[in-house]
Amino acid sequence: GIQVEQSPPDLILQEGANSTLRCNFSDSVNNLQWFHQNPWGQLINLFYIPSGTKQNGRLSATTVATERYSLLYISSSQTTDSGVYFCAVVTGNTPLVFGKGTRLSVIA
Amino acid sequence: DTEVTQTPKHLVMGMTNKKSLKCEQHMGHRAMYWYKQKAKKPPELMFVYSYEKLSINESVPSRFSPECPNSSLLNLHLHALQPEDSALYLCASSSLTVEAQYFGPGTRLLVL
Repeated sequence: GIQVEQSPPDLILQEGANSTLRCNFSDSVNNLQWFHQNPWGQLINLFYIPSGTKQNGRLSATTVATERYSLLYISSSQTTDSGVYFCAVVTGNTPLVFGKGTRLSVIA
Repeated sequence: DTEVTQTPKHLVMGMTNKKSLKCEQHMGHRAMYWYKQKAKKPPELMFVYSYEKLSINESVPSRFSPECPNSSLLNLHLHALQPEDSALYLCASSSLTVEAQYFGPGTRLLVL
């Protein structure tokens, strides 16, 4: 099945810093989503981005489908950005497959 | 409205109990999902319903029994669970199985 690798596994940032999270996948995809899981366990849908670039406030994402990777940019990080960021993909009829996540801690 | 609701938020049950988890969405989505998530791990797919029919069962033990009474509701019936079944159970929905999935807040289950 498809492999989804996220890097880095852990990241500690000072408040106000910028960061880039990466997701590599091993096959072509029909769907790619970025999620933020907050400390209470809620999975928040950040982007649905099988290709191209999208922006939402301080967050933006780019997926280069032909090169099988996606990037999530977080600018001017805040303590509320802490949590785990998951990349997940759908290929063919395979259900959503999650990467292992990047655990982000933003300190004041 | 992009909301998926789940009840209860927390559940403690003994190994001989029978309980049910409930999930509801009013987005007109035709695909609904159950996931299990253990601490510090990504969510793992358990079941997929498409147009109210079970389309995927990821080899889940029979002590977990899903039910889709209508297009808005998804239940997960629990019976004779084991302590290792303690986890966060997440429900999700999407318009179709390849489209964006929206997750509920989850039910934290503890089996004693």
